[in-house]
Amino acid sequence: DAKTTQPTSMDCAEGRAANLPCNHSTISGNEYVYWYRQIHSQGPQYIIHGLKNNETNEMASLIITEDRKSSTLILPHATLRDTAVYYCIVGFNKFYFGSGTKLNVKP
Amino acid sequence: GAVVSQHPSWVICKSGTSVKIECRSLDFQATTMFWYRQFPKQSLMLMATSNEGSKATYEQGVEKDKFLINHASLTLSTLTVTSAHPEDSSFYICSARDASLAEETQYFGPGTRLLVL
Repeated sequence: DAKTTQPTSMDCAEGRAANLPCNHSTISGNEYVYWYRQIHSQGPQYIIHGLKNNETNEMASLIITEDRKSSTLILPHATLRDTAVYYCIVGFNKFYFGSGTKLNVKP
Repeated sequence: GAVVSQHPSWVICKSGTSVKIECRSLDFQATTMFWYRQFPKQSLMLMATSNEGSKATYEQGVEKDKFLINHASLTLSTLTVTSAHPEDSSFYICSARDASLAEETQYFGPGTRLLVL
């Protein structure tokens, strides 16, 4: 079963930062936090992952709280192409997907 | 890098026939691959874990005799839906983990849409 809780949907204006929260209060010490997104009718796309420290790559930033019970994915300048379902996954081996957050980027 | 392909991208078959779906890691070796199923407007559901050279492990409620998985090489896993029925119509997605990395990141294929008539 999924160990994460995410809001069902969020809206974001094009060009603004999108901040997507995720709660994972039962995370274990060796479990990473992964973020993927799925654009309609495609396979999930890897975005970023982290264990304890904040991470940044060309796509996004990942902020993990000190107690590791929650995290936030930040898309710094959202575009219309970022409209997708974003999944936060906590796991070490197998991935159990929750319902994700449908991000709607609006012009 | 980290590209995973699936073939076919979509397939239509008659009830009672078997369908084979291929999953390939194109630029890395994958000792572990995973198979998921996704119904419309739902999330991905893990079906099974495929390990190279050994038997697949299935999630609870997934019939191993109906969904045959073979992982004969480090770059190829296949899922065969045997005696398919309309309720097996779904979006099947595979993922692969890079064997050279210690991390558990999975890279997903584009999916195969199956329609059973």
